Amino acid sequence: AQSVTQPDIHITVSEGASLELRCNYSYGATPYLFWYVQSPGQGLQLLLKYFSGDTLVQGIKGFEAEFKRSQSSFNLRKPSVHWSDAAEYFCAVGARGQNFVFGPGTRLSVLP
Amino acid sequence: DAGVIQSPRHEVTEMGQEVTLRCKPISGHDYLFWYRQTMMRGLELLIYFNNNVPIDDSGMPEDRFSAKMPNASFSTLKIQPSEPRDSAVYFCASSLAAGTVSNQPQHFGDGTRLSIL
Repeated sequence: AQSVTQPDIHITVSEGASLELRCNYSYGATPYLFWYVQSPGQGLQLLLKYFSGDTLVQGIKGFEAEFKRSQSSFNLRKPSVHWSDAAEYFCAVGARGQNFVFGPGTRLSVLP
Repeated sequence: DAGVIQSPRHEVTEMGQEVTLRCKPISGHDYLFWYRQTMMRGLELLIYFNNNVPIDDSGMPEDRFSAKMPNASFSTLKIQPSEPRDSAVYFCASSLAAGTVSNQPQHFGDGTRLSIL
């Protein structure tokens, strides 16, 4: 079965700084990869997804993620963080014939 | 377009009471999912439906939990009797049927925050 790890429970960055959130997965074949964001009191919103093709995918709100098969990673990046980006971020993995698996989440705090 | 709609947003009740959570998926979506989110366990998939039929309920914690989808636009998650450890945020999500269940992004409602006293 597939699994997802997000090594960082909590990250704090200053507004305007760059951001990288880590996601590692475990699955034998190429998985379907997703990043979601959850603002306080809200549901999860899809930021971006990777199925195949170009390994660098662009998402909403200026986010991008890069699939690296050799590292089994799908890290989320943003060049300049805004205060409104403070939220919880979830990486998720899907695989043919299997359900979604969500990572434990990374909480992002943004300093003014 | 209206997203996934859940009700109520908040529910506080005493243990032993029956709790019913409601969900209206996005029109045209054939998959519906119920999740539970807690600090300790994160997001857990409880059950999902395809075309109103329960496909996988292996995540349902106990017989006290039941879910139904009487039609394409409505689903309920019921807990009877409720216990304090059921306190959590319960999310409903829906997705399109194209492809497999695993390659379509899920659209989430805002959740129901349930507190069992």
